Amino acid sequence: LAKTTQPISMDSYEGQEVNITCSHNNIATNDYITWYQQFPSQGPRFIIQGYKTKVTNEVASLFIPADRKSSTLSLPRVSLSDTAVYYCLVGLPGNQGGKLIFGQGTELSVKP
Amino acid sequence: GAVVSQHPSRVICKSGTSVKIECRSLDFQATTMFWYRQFPKKSLMLMATSNEGSKATYEQGVEKDKFLINHASLTLSTLTVTSAHPEDSSFYICSARDQGTLNQPQHFGDGTRLSIL
Repeated sequence: LAKTTQPISMDSYEGQEVNITCSHNNIATNDYITWYQQFPSQGPRFIIQGYKTKVTNEVASLFIPADRKSSTLSLPRVSLSDTAVYYCLVGLPGNQGGKLIFGQGTELSVKP
Repeated sequence: GAVVSQHPSRVICKSGTSVKIECRSLDFQATTMFWYRQFPKKSLMLMATSNEGSKATYEQGVEKDKFLINHASLTLSTLTVTSAHPEDSSFYICSARDQGTLNQPQHFGDGTRLSIL
């Protein structure tokens, strides 16, 4: 299973764009990259998933370079409510089974 | 979208009690579910993979006789913490995938806070 490395913590201010980069040097050919957000005393919440290049949804963008050894989660114009822990995971997509191993995550603190 | 429901959300009980936690996939079928535990300020740690109709697969260091897993239907997995002790106090989280839909991500329940007195 691919190991992921993220910054332990990041600080930002309201209205700024936040980019969190994750390294996954040993990602396998069929692995997808998925990002989750977790608030205290809640389960992780799905943010975005991608395989290559760029994926965008209503809350975030995910940038994946051609070698797929890293990925960057981009949160546009963060607010105080975006303060949370963000996890990057790599693994097989759901229809192919498999398990996900969580790394340490990035604790994002958004200040007014 | 896919929803995973966990029950109860919080349990407080005496040492020696066995506690059952339920994990349900509400609008999809899941032949595989996963159980995690999380200590304060720490990441999620995978405990076991729950397989519908067969035995669960436990991660190294997780006692299968301590943490009993039953996955009797395509929408329900249960985790029973047997003879719980204070060191079993933790945040337990389950997850499941909609394996009938291509490339769906894993969805998580909202967790169960277990406190053993």
